[in-house]
Amino acid sequence: SYVLTQPPSVSVAPGQTARITCGGDNIGTKTVHWYQQMPGQAPVLVVYDDSDRPSGIPERFSGSNSGNTATLTISRVEAGDEADYYCQVWDSSSDHPNVVFGGGTKLTVL
Amino acid sequence: QVQLQASGPGPVKPSQTLSLTCTVSGGSVSSGAYYWSWIRQHPGKGLEWMGNIYYSGSTSYRPSLKRRLSISVDTSKNQFSLRLSSVTAADTAVYYCATTGQWGDPFDIWGQGTMVTVSS
Repeated sequence: SYVLTQPPSVSVAPGQTARITCGGDNIGTKTVHWYQQMPGQAPVLVVYDDSDRPSGIPERFSGSNSGNTATLTISRVEAGDEADYYCQVWDSSSDHPNVVFGGGTKLTVL
Repeated sequence: QVQLQASGPGPVKPSQTLSLTCTVSGGSVSSGAYYWSWIRQHPGKGLEWMGNIYYSGSTSYRPSLKRRLSISVDTSKNQFSLRLSSVTAADTAVYYCATTGQWGDPFDIWGQGTMVTVSS
């Protein structure tokens, strides 16, 4: 089955840029979605289709996807960005189509 | 705007069947515009997609859960439901209902989640 690998944690100072990676075999050929999850809350979509932002998501959130790595970039990080972030793809490579999430990355704002 | 509200029984005993319901408002489960999914999150862990259903009744399940999982739609109540049989402590999790527009689309609408504890 398809596997997505994320770093368990990323730390960044306020105002700096955070980059959260999501690794997968030829992930550049798949479409990646990213979610933000605050403690005790349901996930919220922050980037879809590799690099698009839903309405209401700040421009500080952006995404890219190429080769074996997709990246969520958060510019000018704020304290309120501290959360868990998950990447997700739909995997239709086998007889059993499946949804795959990365293990999640905890973003800490120093 | 579609909204989802998950509800469930709370504690469940091992070997029993877990039943959860997701009530849809602002849209119809009969709409061909959505796939209706269940996603769970074990305590302190990541997200795990369990399966989905289309308005036609067509379902897709996570392979590891396929033998125990059933997802159905009740158009009269505008709800979709999950039944997970033979539960164990490993099924203790927060269960979310969520929806996507089409296969491949993101989960853009989520319910608030309901905690299910499996314990004797």
